[in-house]
Amino acid sequence: NAGVTQTPKFRILKIGQSMTLQCTQDMNHNYMYWYRQDPGMGLKLIYYSVGAGITDKGEVPNGYNVSRSTTEDFPLRLELAAPSQTSVYFCASSYDRGQPPLFGQGTRLTVV
Amino acid sequence: GNSVTQMEGPVTLSEEAFLTINCTYTATGYPSLFWYVQYPGEGLQLLLKATKADDKGSNKGFEATYRKETTSFHLEKGSVQVSDSAVYFCALSESTGRRALTFGSGTRLQVQP
Repeated sequence: NAGVTQTPKFRILKIGQSMTLQCTQDMNHNYMYWYRQDPGMGLKLIYYSVGAGITDKGEVPNGYNVSRSTTEDFPLRLELAAPSQTSVYFCASSYDRGQPPLFGQGTRLTVV
Repeated sequence: GNSVTQMEGPVTLSEEAFLTINCTYTATGYPSLFWYVQYPGEGLQLLLKATKADDKGSNKGFEATYRKETTSFHLEKGSVQVSDSAVYFCALSESTGRRALTFGSGTRLQVQP
């Protein structure tokens, strides 16, 4: 099993550009999450999904969009990149909402 | 809302020293509690967990006890190694609703030889 795979690992964006952070898992997990980690801070929940076709906002959803067309994939879209979105982004998944999620390796994004 | 408060770092220890990282929480109901570890350049890995009051989670020599009366989940290890150098995050999961994790700000541990 590959676990939770995120691509790319690093990316530099210019202000106003858009991009999609990819996340895929091969464990047939129902629950998937996107977090961002800012320096010296804990992780903040951006969006989550409880199954294909179902998504909902977390604590800090502004400036992001998600979709969940399959169980495996949960991409995160940035439409108009801003410097405030410079962060490390983590995708995570779990089979059941009571289980601690498994995390991907992260995507380090810099917006200049 | 839910919140997790951790002691600020960095914590610098010599090898074989005793480690305590404090964690307290605020939550409604009966959350589950976790410690995650993040090694440099990597994602978060679950270190240990406890799902009800008085449970003790343990793994790789680390321990933490779920104390409902003091709303705490302090991480301890009797003898740290250089390889334990990492950032440690305390987190809770709500007992109802979306069950997404709420994280503390993390504590960096540096162990010197």
